[in-house]
Amino acid sequence: AQKVTQAQTEISVVEKEDVTLDCVYETRDTTYYLFWYKQPPSGELVFLIRRNSFDEQNEISGRYSWNFQKSTSSFNFTITASQVVDSAVYFCALSEMPYNQGGKLIFGQGTELSVKP
Amino acid sequence: DAGITQSPRYKITETGRQVTLMCHQTWSHSYMFWYRQDLGHGLRLIYYSAAADITDKGEVPDGYVVSRSKTENFPLTLESATRSQTSVYFCASSRREQGPDTQYFGPGTRLTVL
Repeated sequence: AQKVTQAQTEISVVEKEDVTLDCVYETRDTTYYLFWYKQPPSGELVFLIRRNSFDEQNEISGRYSWNFQKSTSSFNFTITASQVVDSAVYFCALSEMPYNQGGKLIFGQGTELSVKP
Repeated sequence: DAGITQSPRYKITETGRQVTLMCHQTWSHSYMFWYRQDLGHGLRLIYYSAAADITDKGEVPDGYVVSRSKTENFPLTLESATRSQTSVYFCASSRREQGPDTQYFGPGTRLTVL
C-alpha cells in the first residue's frame, strides 16, 4: 500500500537559517508522482512542485530546492535563507497510476514550519 | 480567472441535518476531488470524479454522497451530519493526461457539526 511519512511534525527556525523538510514514501509502483504543497496560515493549498519517478534530477527554484532519491524513497524539500513568509504547513504527497484514477493524492501528515524573525 | 471556488466557506450545522458543500471550477478540468483535512491525518480523499456522471470512492467515503451532472460542478452532500464530520473540506481539480496531473485546490470549507 502507498504511504507518505513526514516525520517532522513541527520545525522552528530563525530567519535566514536553512531548513530541510523530510518526506519518505512507500509504493509498489515503478511509475508514480511526488508533490509538495504549501498551506499558509490563510488556509489555502498552494502547489509547489511535481516530480515523476523517472526524473531524479534535483530541482531548484529560487530559495527552494528538492532532493529526490529513489534509493531511499525520499523527496526532501530545503528552504535556503528562510523568511517569515515561509511559515506554513508543508505537505508531501504521492500519486500513483493507473491513469483512469486521475492521480489520487496520498498526503503525509504535514510539517508545520515556523520561521521567527 | 475564477479557477476553483467553494461555497460556503464556513458552515455550522447540527447533528442529523443534511448539508451540501459546493465546488465549482472554470478550467473544464476532467477530474475533481473532495478531501477532508483533520489534525493528525493530513488530507484524506473522500470521493473523486473522472468526468461528468463518473464518480468513485476514496479512502473515507462513508456518510458522504457526491454527484457530477456537469463538468464544472462537484457537490458533496453529508446526508445526516455527525460530529466526526467536523473538518475542513477541500475540493480539487486536475486535467486528464497520461498520468496524474497537478491538482489545484479550492479555498476550503470549514464545517462544524454541533
